[in-house]
Amino acid sequence: DQQVKQNSPSLSVQEGRISILNCDYTNSMFDYFLWYKKYPAEGPTFLISISSIKDKNEDGRFTVFLNKSAKHLSLHIVPSQPGDSAVYFCAASDDNTGKLIFGQGTTLQVKP
Amino acid sequence: NAGVTQTPKFQVLKTGQSMTLQCAQDMNHEYMSWYRQDPGMGLRLIHYSVGAGITDQGEVPNGYNVSRSTTEDFPLRLLSAAPSQTSVYFCASSSRTSGNYNEQFFGPGTRLTVL
Repeated sequence: DQQVKQNSPSLSVQEGRISILNCDYTNSMFDYFLWYKKYPAEGPTFLISISSIKDKNEDGRFTVFLNKSAKHLSLHIVPSQPGDSAVYFCAASDDNTGKLIFGQGTTLQVKP
Repeated sequence: NAGVTQTPKFQVLKTGQSMTLQCAQDMNHEYMSWYRQDPGMGLRLIHYSVGAGITDQGEVPNGYNVSRSTTEDFPLRLLSAAPSQTSVYFCASSSRTSGNYNEQFFGPGTRLTVL
């Protein structure tokens, strides 16, 4: 069973608009959540994270929101830029173990 | 500072062959891990290590061995390759000192095909 799910395989947005990527999880023991970005033929790159004691974390154009009751997190990118076009993975961990459970990924295309 | 390096970039094996995927990091990170990425499944943890001499299994360890004799290196061994091991393999490292174990630096990956 998939403990972390990204139900949208792809998303296309216009440059300058907001991109919203969603992620759901089933394991209530998860207490740390991350987003990674991946370009083709490269390894994933850490983007932003959030601890379960928070409901929002912001870093420049990127904001992650966590809704623990719904077991849902989302990544907002504002404004979206063509360079943001990549695959975005959400990941979750139970405490600071490094044992990450990844979602399937969402391919974001930002059109100029 | 090269970060996390992986060799080879590409490899084709026949069923039953063995090989070692190399991973090295120059950031003095104590934590290292191996993931495989398959289409539609995201990344799955194979093995991980919290320091030299310490390794443990992840989500999908069967068919793979690891060892950690130094802080820098964390090789992944396939003893008898199977077509189900065709995948892209990523090595990662992190440190509690400079962040936390979850915020990992990934290598560029090794694309392995088993015929």
